[in-house]
Amino acid sequence: AQKVTQAQTEISVVEKEDVTLDCVYETRDTTYYLFWYKQPPSGELVFLIRRNSFDEQNEISGRYSWNFQKSTSSFNFTITASQVVDSAVYFCALSEGGTGFQKLVFGTGTRLLVSP
Amino acid sequence: GAGVSQSPSNKVTEKGKDVELRCDPISGHTALYWYRQSLGQGLEFLIYFQGNSAPDKSGLPSDRFSAERTGGSVSTLTIQRTQQEDSAVYLCASREYNSPLHFGNGTRLTVT
Repeated sequence: AQKVTQAQTEISVVEKEDVTLDCVYETRDTTYYLFWYKQPPSGELVFLIRRNSFDEQNEISGRYSWNFQKSTSSFNFTITASQVVDSAVYFCALSEGGTGFQKLVFGTGTRLLVSP
Repeated sequence: GAGVSQSPSNKVTEKGKDVELRCDPISGHTALYWYRQSLGQGLEFLIYFQGNSAPDKSGLPSDRFSAERTGGSVSTLTIQRTQQEDSAVYLCASREYNSPLHFGNGTRLTVT
């Protein structure tokens, strides 16, 4: 069965600090997809990144970076020089390959609080 | 184009009443998903549609919950005889093949 674990319930940092959000997943499939979503206080879920199981290259997008390591079944998310606007709940999710329409299974989320 | 649209945005109902929640997916998206998010909790999968059929309805909590999709577009989630534990935000999402999920803003259901 597929499972996503986000062990950090809440993280508090001061602006400009770097912060890493952990995500550990479980799956029996060799083909799968990993996602990160952001849910700001307004409530809408915003897609951040998708990574397939065959691509272990790390990715950087501005202040955001993602570290995918199949050896440890982890897909961690780092925000560099955090800002108050980064305050949100961040969800990691897993979708097994299947038909390409498989459901996403979400972790319980990590609430990030960035204070000025 | 327009995003995923859900209605109503808020619904307050009395325990025991039936409710219907509506989702209009992004035009052309084949797959449609329903999730539930209880206060301070993660996203709980309920059901997904591929076209008008539901290959996976494993997340529906009980037989009081049902969903349908017509014309490969609009979907309705129905909760019969609502209970207080049904109070949550019900989120709808749609996607194309192997693409990310695009979520609506949700329907906040409060059962009093």
